[in-house]
Amino acid sequence: EADIYQTPRYLVIGTGKKITLECSQTMGHDKMYWYQQDPGMELHLIHYSYGVNSTEKGDLSSESTVSRIRTEHFPLTLESARPSHTSQYLCASSEFGTSGVKRGFEQFFGPGTRLTVL
Amino acid sequence: RKEVEQDPGPFNVPEGATVAFNCTYSNSASQSFFWYRQDCRKEPKLLMSVYSSGNEDGRFTAQLNRASQYISLLIRDSKLSDSATYLCVVNRYGGGYQKVTFGTGTKLQVIP
Repeated sequence: EADIYQTPRYLVIGTGKKITLECSQTMGHDKMYWYQQDPGMELHLIHYSYGVNSTEKGDLSSESTVSRIRTEHFPLTLESARPSHTSQYLCASSEFGTSGVKRGFEQFFGPGTRLTVL
Repeated sequence: RKEVEQDPGPFNVPEGATVAFNCTYSNSASQSFFWYRQDCRKEPKLLMSVYSSGNEDGRFTAQLNRASQYISLLIRDSKLSDSATYLCVVNRYGGGYQKVTFGTGTKLQVIP
């Protein structure tokens, strides 16, 4: 079982508020990712990190920002939430697996944060 | 053209049936391939990696065809619990760089 955690699981907040979505993993993975997914739609990569002090923007433009000060922690921040930010945000981490049918850069996902901005 | 393409489905199949999904990828430099499963309103979870030699895990068989640039997933003896969206994932990496691309997913509904 993967040890990757996200808080809060659900968040309903008003427009203009600053929010931080937390993501932590205890597996020592260097690589971490943030995805955005609307219900029934595909995953979109919005940020990723290869390690401490490394952050990159993903394929989908996002107004959010991220930081990676510690290996295990990869928070995502929205300075001023808007209704268009309503979505599910999924955090993931990866290593290079070496055993069985799950070898390779498998990603472990957290349970997600469902954000609703009113 | 998207880097990874999947038929979104839904595939509606009866219990016990065999069902197969394909996923095509456009970048021939892609190096590793996976199938993930995502249940409704849940996070994706790794189902299996995909190798050129093919690999099997119980009722699930994955194949990679590099020449035609597609991967496949075969599910035998479908169970109701197999109902989910199956995501194809393609990786390119090297020199500290890694690009992970998820397909849009194929929805499977196994019916009694």
